[in-house]
Amino acid sequence: NAGVMQNPRHLVRRRGQEARLRCSPMKGHSHVYWYRQLPEEGLKFMVYLQKENIIDESGMPKERFSAEFPKEGPSILRIQQVVRGDSAAYFCASSPLGIQGPLTYGYTFGSGTRLTVV
Amino acid sequence: GESVGLHLPTLSVQEGDNSIINCAYSNSASDYFIWYKQESGKGPQFIIDIRSNMDKRQGQRVTVLLNKTVKHLSLQIAATQPGDSAVYFCAESTGGGNKLTFGTGTQLKVEL
Repeated sequence: NAGVMQNPRHLVRRRGQEARLRCSPMKGHSHVYWYRQLPEEGLKFMVYLQKENIIDESGMPKERFSAEFPKEGPSILRIQQVVRGDSAAYFCASSPLGIQGPLTYGYTFGSGTRLTVV
Repeated sequence: GESVGLHLPTLSVQEGDNSIINCAYSNSASDYFIWYKQESGKGPQFIIDIRSNMDKRQGQRVTVLLNKTVKHLSLQIAATQPGDSAVYFCAESTGGGNKLTFGTGTQLKVEL
């Protein structure tokens, strides 16, 4: 049973380009969460999605950032017109149960995508 | 605003000693807490958790203590090993929800 898979592991983009980060949850997990980590800081919540639904996007910047979790395929975090301040590690986590389930039940993080904007 | 923070940014211990990593939280509504270990280039790895109806929970070589009166959380690692070297984060959530609020992190360095 593979863990949470994120790709690419490293992504370099020039200012103004688009960045697409992918997350495949663990088998059997239908809830996906995205977090951002700046250097030497803790993770900051961005968005929580279930299949085809955004449940909580309170941590998403208002502009340029979007996330989706389609019925088929991985969850995608998209950053349009990247700026240097977007450089960070982006982590995805997944769980089999959502708000009705205990948080301890399989909230597992991937290894992250390290985005560098040059 | 509400926040979760750590007292010590770096902790150095001798191999075999016990380590104590501390965390303060300010959201009195927080009812669930987790400690994560993060090694360089990797994602956070679950260590141990505790709910607000408990004040202590033990795992293998680790113990988490929760003091709700002073909003303080600690992680104790017994017989610290070189493999324990990492950054440790506390995280909290409210109402069994799905959003975690992380602290800044403590770098644990184990000296041989």
